[in-house]
Amino acid sequence: DVKVTQSSRYLVKRTGEKVFLECVQDMDHENMFWYRQDPGLGLRLIYFSYDVKMKEKGDIPEGYSVSREKKERFSLILESASTNQTSMYLCASSFSGYRGEQYFGPGTRLTVT
Amino acid sequence: GQQVMQIPQYQHVQEGEDFTTYCNSSTTLSNIQWYKQRPGGHPVFLIQLVKSGEVKKQKRLTFQFGEAKKNSSLHITATQTTDVGTYFCAGPSSGAGSYQLTFGKGTKLSVIP
Repeated sequence: DVKVTQSSRYLVKRTGEKVFLECVQDMDHENMFWYRQDPGLGLRLIYFSYDVKMKEKGDIPEGYSVSREKKERFSLILESASTNQTSMYLCASSFSGYRGEQYFGPGTRLTVT
Repeated sequence: GQQVMQIPQYQHVQEGEDFTTYCNSSTTLSNIQWYKQRPGGHPVFLIQLVKSGEVKKQKRLTFQFGEAKKNSSLHITATQTTDVGTYFCAGPSSGAGSYQLTFGKGTKLSVIP
């Protein structure tokens, strides 16, 4: 079974702090994604990566950055957390190419106070 | 940009009734995927449809892909309380590699016992 793990289920940070969210997958997937999920807004793509050290902006990249130094690990960084970044953050991974179904991690509920 | 719309946003049904959610894309899709997210959980891949007019069944769930490959539906026969959750459709994002998906906002299903 594909396993996607995220470093924390719940996280509380203060405004202005630098926040790191870690995601690890064990299926040798080329692609990895970071989404945020908010009520009524669905899943919105923040960033994705299709290879090590490669990254592409999604729909809402402002205020975020990412790092992918190893194939299995994809990190989301909030440079200076703000209250409007309080959300559920979901990591996902997939093989490249036609099949492309995404496997999601359990999510990190981030609260910024 | 590409849009994937789902209706209805919410659906409350009595246990045993049928349920249908509809998905419409602003562009032709090479494939469409469906995911289910249980309350408190993360999205889980259900199925992928590829061919025009394709119909696939998983027990009480029936998935259809439209002839023009711009719409899809998920029908659940005789709902059970285990069907509760949010159902998302997703299609490959236009202008991007086949690995990036655009998700609909989902249909939240409640089943009244």
